[in-house]
Amino acid sequence: EDKVVQSPLSLVVHEGDTVTLNCSYEVTNFRSLLWYKQEKKAPTFLFMLTSSGIEKKSGRLSSILDKKELFSILNITATQTGDSAVYLCAVFDNYGQNFVFGPGTRLSVLP
Amino acid sequence: GAGVSQSPSNKVTEKGKDVELRCDPISGHTALYWYRQSLGQGLEFLIYFQGNSAPDKSGLPSDRFSAERTGGSVSTLTIQRTQQEDSAVYLCASSLPVGGLSTDTQYFGPGTRLTVL
Repeated sequence: EDKVVQSPLSLVVHEGDTVTLNCSYEVTNFRSLLWYKQEKKAPTFLFMLTSSGIEKKSGRLSSILDKKELFSILNITATQTGDSAVYLCAVFDNYGQNFVFGPGTRLSVLP
Repeated sequence: GAGVSQSPSNKVTEKGKDVELRCDPISGHTALYWYRQSLGQGLEFLIYFQGNSAPDKSGLPSDRFSAERTGGSVSTLTIQRTQQEDSAVYLCASSLPVGGLSTDTQYFGPGTRLTVL
């Protein structure tokens, strides 16, 4: 059964801290891994990763994929209160042609 | 152009009633997905449409749930005889045709918050 696990499930930090969010997966036929940020209702897209070892970067956020060890990390440096959200990891299973989402990591950044 | 839109934004209904949720995908996006998110839970995949192909209904939780997509665009998710456990936010997303890696990016609508009393 396809599975996406995220850790930690919840994290509280102070502004300026650096955080690392983890996502591990087991899917029948991996095609891509995506990170989303969910603040209210609709998740917003952050990154799509398909190749191992290639870092994707956007401002203070970066992410990398390890297809051998079946995991990805999302890093946020110099966190701000606006980074407070649930961060979702999803994997596209080419066999089932569907997305499998993890439970998310709830990040709270305190001033 | 406009993003994915969903209606209604909020729906309160009584147990046993039927509800219909609507999703308008981004123009040109042939792939459409429905998810639901219960309070404090992750996203649960419900159903996936790709163009005019038969939908993948593997995620529908029971036969009270059905979905259709008319003309390859607008989709409706229908829940019959609603139960309290159906209370959740129902999210719709669309993406470009499956077949290229760049098409895995899903664009989500604002969701419909369903409350079954």
